[in-house]
Amino acid sequence: NAGVTQTPKFRILKIGQSMTLQCAQDMNHNYMYWYRQDPGMGLKLIYYSVGAGITDKGEVPNGYNVSRSTTEDFPLRLELAAPSQTSVYFCASSDQWTGLSNQPQHFGDGTRLSIL
Amino acid sequence: DQQVKQNSPSLSVQEGRISILNCDYTNSMFDYFLWYKKYPAEGPTFLISISSIKDKNEDGRFTVFLNKSAKHLSLHIVPSQPGDSAGYFCAASVNNDMRFGAGTRLTVKP
Repeated sequence: NAGVTQTPKFRILKIGQSMTLQCAQDMNHNYMYWYRQDPGMGLKLIYYSVGAGITDKGEVPNGYNVSRSTTEDFPLRLELAAPSQTSVYFCASSDQWTGLSNQPQHFGDGTRLSIL
Repeated sequence: DQQVKQNSPSLSVQEGRISILNCDYTNSMFDYFLWYKKYPAEGPTFLISISSIKDKNEDGRFTVFLNKSAKHLSLHIVPSQPGDSAGYFCAASVNNDMRFGAGTRLTVKP
């Protein structure tokens, strides 16, 4: 059982490059989330989606874009990579919004991104 | 602004003793609280949660206590085991807003 799969696990980018972080879940969950975790800090919500075709901003959306064309996939796009976007990125999914039920989020193992 | 704080970056306890991890929050509107466990190079995994209408929730060796007047929650692990050594993150939620603390690294010594 795969759960939430993130690719790649590691990536180094140059300033100004673009890339897409992939996230896929096989649990048929409606809700999907993207977080970033900086050293010594908690996870911060970048974007989330409540279902295919519906996305919304989280706490720190600037510099990122998302799309949700299918239930399974929720890619995160960095258009112009900046050093401030060096972080570990986690994708998660849940059947319902975690705060409204006892349905916890299931996390992928993260993508470690360095921008030099 | 950090609405959820875990002021102890690390905690070390002896195997078999109690581990108490603390979390403070500032937003009184939070209505759901969760604890996640995280091993290095892995994503967080859900541990236990509590609704704001309760003050205690227990699941095996793990108990979460919520003190709304103090805006404080704690996770108790009894008895602590070496396999509990990991990072622990508290999170708080209201509507579509979810905030995480910076985490506490627990080390349980044999």
